[in-house]
Amino acid sequence: EDKVVQSPLSLVVHEGDTVTLNCSYEVTNFRSLLWYKQEKKAPTFLFMLTSSGIEKKSGRLSSILDKKELFSILNITATQTGDSAIYLCAVDTGNQFYFGTGTSLTVIP
Amino acid sequence: DTAVSQTPKYLVTQMGNDKSIKCEQNLGHDTMYWYKQDSKKFLKIMFSYNNKELIINETVPNRFSPKSPDKAHLNLHINSLELGDSAVYFCASSQYGTEGAQYFGPGTRLLVL
Repeated sequence: EDKVVQSPLSLVVHEGDTVTLNCSYEVTNFRSLLWYKQEKKAPTFLFMLTSSGIEKKSGRLSSILDKKELFSILNITATQTGDSAIYLCAVDTGNQFYFGTGTSLTVIP
Repeated sequence: DTAVSQTPKYLVTQMGNDKSIKCEQNLGHDTMYWYKQDSKKFLKIMFSYNNKELIINETVPNRFSPKSPDKAHLNLHINSLELGDSAVYFCASSQYGTEGAQYFGPGTRLLVL
């Protein structure tokens, strides 16, 4: 059975901290792994990863994929209160997107 | 311009009713999706559809049916609504075959009384 598991389920940090969110997967056919940020409304796209070891970076956010160990991490440095959200990981198998349960991040001022 | 739009934004209805949620995308994508997000914020795919294939999550009751009048639209029709159908429903689209990311609509919050 294809599945995507995220950890931790929730995280509370102070502004300025660095956080690492984890996503592991077991799928029969891997095409890509995607990270999304969901605040109060719809998920918004952050990164798409297809190759191992190549870091994707956008401002204070970065992500990397390990296709051998079947996981990805999302790093956020110098966190701000605006980073508070649910971060979703999804794996595209070609005909389905499998989502993890998400990590709820709360950044305290 | 909104890339993926859904109507209505909110829907409150009685058990047993039939309702539809509309979704339109202007991104030129050829694959569209419906997701259900429950109160625990867990996002589950219900359907994915392109011109060639409808893929149904087998756990979705057959009271739910997607209807696509054209490539830019994928509507969700729900028969005989139940209390457990209360959730936020998201439409999304992507370009199949190019490993493109999905872009989500704003969601429709459905409340069944």
